[in-house]
Amino acid sequence: DAGITQSPRHKVTETGTPVTLRCHQTENHRYMYWYRQDPGHGLRLIHYSYGVKDTDKGEVSDGYSVSRSKTEDFLLTLESATSSQTSVYFCAISELRVGYTFGSGTRLTVV
Amino acid sequence: AQTVTQSQPEMSVQEAETVTLSCTYDTSESDYYLFWYKQPPSRQMILVIRQEAYKQQNATENRFSVNFQKAAKSFSLKISDSQLGDAAMYFCAFGGGSNYKLTFGKGTLLTVNP
Repeated sequence: DAGITQSPRHKVTETGTPVTLRCHQTENHRYMYWYRQDPGHGLRLIHYSYGVKDTDKGEVSDGYSVSRSKTEDFLLTLESATSSQTSVYFCAISELRVGYTFGSGTRLTVV
Repeated sequence: AQTVTQSQPEMSVQEAETVTLSCTYDTSESDYYLFWYKQPPSRQMILVIRQEAYKQQNATENRFSVNFQKAAKSFSLKISDSQLGDAAMYFCAFGGGSNYKLTFGKGTLLTVNP
């Protein structure tokens, strides 16, 4: 969707290295979310933001941190990547009662 | 906390036939939304249909319709006149609670046979 972009689209990294994924929106939506998708688990919420500098944990937040210094950008950081963090990561944006829009996803492989 | 259950990991349907995907959820919220998302091999998440919990009328979008049973906490998706392009993973999702987080089911992989 043109209103939300994720970067990079693919990344391979080594165990123990830090990794940052970026989500950028042009919709000025208040809410932003990071999910991970794994086979057999659907999409699970990692962290979310309800405003600039306002963030909170989701159900699978261990090993991840986030930051939102501007309305349009929401960064997800893997502080020390592990093989269990190999996954597809999705960012989503939302304005209440309007709906949710997803980015194209980032496929991260930790070797 | 909300939970969403899709009891059918895989389904198949013949082209032009009708198929129903099941979804149940559990919540104590009274104000919420329910969604069906389609994810083709491109991995893009595509909104298929949305239902507001306060609306009794079932949502319909062309060949896609839902059967929303609020008391039973059931939200099934019916696809009529199935097409090859309908083949995808389908996710049921619940949106509600504080900060309107989306909670997903584990998905149903739909195959459409020619």
